[in-house]
Amino acid sequence: DARVTQTPRHKVTEMGQEVTMRCQPILGHNTVFWYRQTMMQGLELLAYFRNRAPLDDSGMPKDRFSAEMPDATLATLKIQPSEPRDSAVYFCASGPRDSYGYTFGSGTRLTVV
Amino acid sequence: AQSVTQLGSHVSVSEGALVLLRCNYSSSVPPYLFWYVQYPNQGLQLLLKYTSAATLVKGINDFEAEFKKSETSFHLTKPSAHMSDAAEYFCAVSEGEGSQGNLIFGKGTKLSVKP
Repeated sequence: DARVTQTPRHKVTEMGQEVTMRCQPILGHNTVFWYRQTMMQGLELLAYFRNRAPLDDSGMPKDRFSAEMPDATLATLKIQPSEPRDSAVYFCASGPRDSYGYTFGSGTRLTVV
Repeated sequence: AQSVTQLGSHVSVSEGALVLLRCNYSSSVPPYLFWYVQYPNQGLQLLLKYTSAATLVKGINDFEAEFKKSETSFHLTKPSAHMSDAAEYFCAVSEGEGSQGNLIFGKGTKLSVKP
């Protein structure tokens, strides 16, 4: 089965450090999302791309978060500097053109101490 | 703006019993609706989707959901629960029109299945 691959699966870092999370969407999918999941807020959209162009990043704290798609096979989410409140599971999801529903990766569990 | 409300953060059923997970939506446009399941330490897996075709939608693992416009509901059911169904379930509505909008998720319902 085709899958969305996220790395790393787990990351523990100290406050103030830079964190980069990577996502390989399913080949041929043209829409890529970044979601964050926490107990308090549930699933929140951070950013999404269509055909590598950012469509919406209003859910992302702009001063510390950035999301990019350097090519069709890689999406990155970067936090600099990281803070303890960024501790969460970050999911990437991708979807094909003109389809309904998306495929999620297994997530990156980030802990900032 | 679209939104989703899932009634009951925890639902517990006995093995073999009916599963009913409730979801109500709010949408200013004809909605696309989804149910996802999340097993521990895993990502979300699509169970089923409503895309304005048949109002009764069948998904994987014998789950189904019925779209009721008059009640703005999209409840998830399964006739007979298995232990392996224990997981968290999320209802979602597609934001805006079209097939590739952002998904607005409910808070989730954790399903426990007792032997």
